[in-house]
Amino acid sequence: QKEVEQDPGPLSVPEGAIVSLNCTYSNSAFQYFMWYRQYSRKGPELLMYTYSSGNKEDGRFTAQVDKSSKYISLFIRDSQPSDSATYLCAMTTDGGFKTIFGAGTRLFVKA
Amino acid sequence: DGGITQSPKYLFRKEGQNVTLSCEQNLNHDAMYWYRQDPGQGLRLIYYSQIVNDFQKGDIAEGYSVSREKKESFPLTVTSAQKNPTAFYLCASKSGGANVLTFGAGSRLTVL
Repeated sequence: QKEVEQDPGPLSVPEGAIVSLNCTYSNSAFQYFMWYRQYSRKGPELLMYTYSSGNKEDGRFTAQVDKSSKYISLFIRDSQPSDSATYLCAMTTDGGFKTIFGAGTRLFVKA
Repeated sequence: DGGITQSPKYLFRKEGQNVTLSCEQNLNHDAMYWYRQDPGQGLRLIYYSQIVNDFQKGDIAEGYSVSREKKESFPLTVTSAQKNPTAFYLCASKSGGANVLTFGAGSRLTVL
């Protein structure tokens, strides 16, 4: 079993839809949770960063962490064609040098 | 602007040849990383370095080698021993107390 599980998709939605992306993990020591966005043939860029459990909102994006269920989510409201990309969840332990990534979910937002 | 520069962006190699991918950062970050990305498999860690002149193997180090002679530079050599080297390679870095990685734009290696 992988430490981090993420459905690779692809996920196709119409413009304006609410998108929900999710990851599950097995290591209860993970404390820091990230979502990266990666456009085709580019390097990943940080989208959201959360410490421990709770919610964090930034514009149209909301990240949720439920440590009791070992489950993290990224919600995108009013999705736009420019949101079409691969979304990678990532996590690490406190003071850890290794970041573990999910497989990435490919998202297509249709105009 | 501060960032990570990877070169070349695209590289073609014949079987049996070694190739070296360059990674340079001007962020003054202590730690540097090399990841390999294949479709549907996410990012897998090849090597990482926390300080100059020190590096550790990641999860898929076989067939790869690195050096860290300068803080700014962390080149990756893909040797002929790597059985399936065609992939997208990503270099990343972070400062000592941070948890967030900054990535370069990547290098696409194709073995002919």
